[in-house]
Amino acid sequence: AQKVTQAQTEISVVEKEDVTLDCVYETRDTTYYLFWYKQPPSGELVFLIRRNSFDEQNEISGRYSWNFQKSTSSFNFTITASQVVDSAVYFCALRSGGYQKVTFGTGTKLQVIP
Amino acid sequence: DARVTQTPRHKVTEMGQEVTMRCQPILGHNTVFWYRQTMMQGLELLAYFRNRAPLDDSGMPKDRFSAEMPDATLATLKIQPSEPRDSAVYFCASGPKGQTNTGELFFGEGSRLTVL
Repeated sequence: AQKVTQAQTEISVVEKEDVTLDCVYETRDTTYYLFWYKQPPSGELVFLIRRNSFDEQNEISGRYSWNFQKSTSSFNFTITASQVVDSAVYFCALRSGGYQKVTFGTGTKLQVIP
Repeated sequence: DARVTQTPRHKVTEMGQEVTMRCQPILGHNTVFWYRQTMMQGLELLAYFRNRAPLDDSGMPKDRFSAEMPDATLATLKIQPSEPRDSAVYFCASGPKGQTNTGELFFGEGSRLTVL
């Protein structure tokens, strides 16, 4: 069985603050992939990043950074100097298993206040 | 610009009516996923296909829901009869095959269903 937990339902920050979105996953597979997707108010889900289970190197892309730690089964997402345009629901997802099933967390709604 | 296309974008129907949602995956993609999004449950996986074959539909209420891929360019999700609790946004997503499969899914804009 695979499971993704995003314990933070909603987060509000003031513009320019840093914010970290938590993601904890469960899987019995040794090979798996982790993702973050963004769902802006328009509704469409947009892919942000992919990480495979053999690559624990953290990644930075502009104001976005991701911290993957297998020891704690976590794949956290940090937005530095948040902006109003970052306001969205963010989903963490796990892809594993023989059929490569993709399971999403329940999402974290981020509101960036001007 | 390749994208997943879903129809209808919005549907309002009365309880008991049949609803069919359609999805055109990105050309060349061989996996198709159907998700349902509600405030209470988040994104739930209903069914998914690889090479048109259903691999997992355990998340789908079998008595009223059915999912098919008549051909590689069309996936359908049917609800018969519909109930108010089916009101949600239904997303279709597709994924590429083989060497180009980097794992991420490409989502359509969703079909918002309201059952009165």
